[in-house]
Amino acid sequence: SQTIHQWPATLVQPVGSPLSLECTVEGTSNPNLYWYRQAAGRGLQLLFYSVGIGQISSEVPQNLSASRPQDRQFILSSKKLLLSDSGFYLCAWGRELQETQYFGPGTRLLVL
Amino acid sequence: AQKVTQAQTEISVVEKEDVTLDCVYETRDTTYYLFWYKQPPSGELVFLIRRNSFDEQNEISGRYSWNFQKSTSSFNFTITASQVVDSAVYFCALKGGVLTGGGNKLTFGTGTQLKVEL
Repeated sequence: SQTIHQWPATLVQPVGSPLSLECTVEGTSNPNLYWYRQAAGRGLQLLFYSVGIGQISSEVPQNLSASRPQDRQFILSSKKLLLSDSGFYLCAWGRELQETQYFGPGTRLLVL
Repeated sequence: AQKVTQAQTEISVVEKEDVTLDCVYETRDTTYYLFWYKQPPSGELVFLIRRNSFDEQNEISGRYSWNFQKSTSSFNFTITASQVVDSAVYFCALKGGVLTGGGNKLTFGTGTQLKVEL
């Protein structure tokens, strides 16, 4: 069966510091991978998605970036965090364009 | 553009009551997919169901049932005999196709907080 991992689970960072969140998927190959952010108020916003190694599509321009160095690894980064980057970050995976997306446990980020 | 509306922000029921969560969607695609997810306090989104736009058959899974009606663009979710463990935020989501550029994107509603009390 497939599992998706995210770490860290919780992170408190000062404004202006860098960020690296990691997501890995087990039990499948060549998945589509997604980063979502859930701000206070519950709305979920797609940030990035990737259909293969090195292929990243950005949905929302911002100071975040994503990379996919390996088939089942997806990384969300920032060079300098803003207060507005605080939120709950969820990674998800799926297989085909019509596929269901399965979500990881999430990372809670607080920028102070 | 795609849009999903969950007009009920919060619903409170007493255990064993039935409850229906509403979901209304908008899309120009003729082929699309609808989803329901559950988000318990731990935060992880748990997949509940997926429906294809060409399959309007209602579905029942244990205490859960879903009513998909294309004529009213609705995909409502009913929990029968609710339990305290059903307390969570429930999200309806839509994935469209080429027309709306939604091939890879899930558009979520704002969620409905369900509280089931003893």
